Amino acid sequence: AQRVTQPEKLLSVFKGAPVELKCNYSYSGSPELFWYVQYSRQRLQLLLRHISRESIKGFTADLNKGETSFHLKKPFAQEEDSAMYYCALRIGNNDMRFGAGTRLTVKP
Amino acid sequence: DTGVSQDPRHKITKRGQNVTFRCDPISEHNRLYWYRQTLGQGPEFLTYFQNEAQLEKSRLLSDRFSAERPKGSFSTLEIQRTEQGDSAMYLCASSLDENTEAFFGQGTRLTVV
Repeated sequence: AQRVTQPEKLLSVFKGAPVELKCNYSYSGSPELFWYVQYSRQRLQLLLRHISRESIKGFTADLNKGETSFHLKKPFAQEEDSAMYYCALRIGNNDMRFGAGTRLTVKP
Repeated sequence: DTGVSQDPRHKITKRGQNVTFRCDPISEHNRLYWYRQTLGQGPEFLTYFQNEAQLEKSRLLSDRFSAERPKGSFSTLEIQRTEQGDSAMYLCASSLDENTEAFFGQGTRLTVV
């Protein structure tokens, strides 16, 4: 079954500390993975996608097919990174499967 | 605001009533998606349109759910005979095509009492 798992519902770090939000997926085809972010009182928005291999707001994510993971990392967390983060897997051309999300809190 | 617009933002209805939500996508976006999000979960894909054609509807939750996009612009999602379990946030998103970023609306929060 196609599934995205985010094992941590809550993650709290101090400002300046490294942060890693975990995402594992289950998919028999060639995966296309995304990270979405939702800041307080704002709409859901795309943060990054694995095929772009880009760094956005200091965040990176590497697709590891062997471990079926797509963890989101940032070396030095900032308070403005506090938000809800969702990992998503695209199946076919349209069906996007989202994980349950991780709420990141960056403490001052 | 030229982003995806959803109306209403909140809807409270009695069980058994029908409700309809509207989504206005970003202009010239050919693809339009509907999702449902329940508390503590990520968005759950329901259906999508390519222009006016509904290309996937097998993920609609039951035959009480239906969606239209009659002129390839705005879309409506209707839920008939609402149940308490339908209480959720209903999200709409649009994209230029299958390969470009989908932009989300702020959602319609439905409460069935």
